[in-house]
Order: sequence, then structure tokens, then C-alpha cells
Amino acid sequence: GQQLNQSPQSMFIQEGEDVSMNCTSSSIFNTWLWYKQDPGEGPVLLIALYKAGELTSNGRLTAQFGITRKDSFLNISASIPSDVGIYFCAALNYGGSQGNLIFGKGTKLSVKP
Amino acid sequence: NAGVTQTPKFQVLKTGQSMTLQCAQDMNHEYMSWYRQDPGMGLRLIHYSVGAGITDQGEVPNGYNVSRSTTEDFPLRLLSAAPSQTSVYFCASSYRPGPLDGYTFGSGTRLTVV
Repeated sequence: GQQLNQSPQSMFIQEGEDVSMNCTSSSIFNTWLWYKQDPGEGPVLLIALYKAGELTSNGRLTAQFGITRKDSFLNISASIPSDVGIYFCAALNYGGSQGNLIFGKGTKLSVKP
Repeated sequence: NAGVTQTPKFQVLKTGQSMTLQCAQDMNHEYMSWYRQDPGMGLRLIHYSVGAGITDQGEVPNGYNVSRSTTEDFPLRLLSAAPSQTSVYFCASSYRPGPLDGYTFGSGTRLTVV
């Protein structure tokens, strides 16, 4: 079936550094989404991307929908302690009655204060 | 506006017991789904529903049943719990089947089967 390969699996960064993570697949998707999950909570949507090549920002977060429609990238600038959590990419092919999201396995972000 | 509400937050079951995980949303969302989250596995779809009276299987449906008698509620049933079902379960909903704006997730139910 379709799979999303998310990397890195985990990362430790110094406060103030920029962070990059990505998600790739052998399949083409129409929508890419990025979620963040805090401990003990459900994932929360950060950014949604709908067009190949689209670049979208949400505060210090910037995400891009790859031009091939097979990948997406998330960048966090000037990281702070509250950025700690697990970041998930998700992708969707909508059409018909389904259009279920599939998720990557997550990138666990830890920030050194 | 409560969003997606899951109960209970924590549950311990013995092998072979049955239980129902509750999920309710007050956003009039047509689409609802259940995911399980295991360490290193991300989120995997168990069952989903595109509207009242309509359900279908996801990636890992074995051992779980669902029904959708109302728009608001989408319970997940474990008929005979097994240790392999120890996981964190998330319910999610969206306005329409193709969740173009992403899902709204509940805060999860942490289930342990001993």
C-alpha cells in the first residue's frame, strides 16, 4: 500500500536553531498536511498544502508541497522549547467516497534549553 | 464547542474482555475515523465512516467493530481484547470525506490489555 517515509526519526537541537524534516513517498498525492502532537494529546494541524510547489508559512513554520507531488518539507525557524513534540506528515488522495489520510511515522523533536 | 471528545482517557482490560471506546463530536462533521498509535508506527487507520449508517475498514480493522447510528457518535468496540491491542486510540473527524482541511483529533484513549 501507500507509505510515507518521514525523516529524521528524531532530532536534538539547540534552542534558536532552525529545523528541517521531510516526508517522501513513491506515490503521488493531492494534499499534504503537517501535524504536531504534544505529549498526552492528539495531533493538531499545523499546515495544509494543496498545490504542487506551494510554499506556506504559519509563524515560524514553513512547509512546501514538492513539485513532483511525492514529497513535502517542514522547516521550523529559531526553535524554542515549546517546539518539543512529535511532528507527523500526512497525505491524501481525495476522490470518490474515501480520501483517507495516511501518516508518516513521525519526527520526534527535542530541544536543549 | 467541545470538538472531538473521547472517553475514557485510560483503560486497563484483561485478555478476552470487551469494551467500547466512545467518540463524540459536536461540529456536525460527516467524516469520522479511528486510528491507533503505536511507538515507531505512526497513526494507522482502523475504521472510518463517511456519514451516519456508513462505515468501512481501514488498514488494521481486525479485532474491532464500529457503527455510526448518529452523525455525532462513532464508538469503537473491542469484542475480545488481546495484548496486541495495547495502544493509544485516537478518534478524528472532518467536515467531509476528503478532509481537505485536515482532521480534528480527540485527545486519545490509552488502552492496556494484560
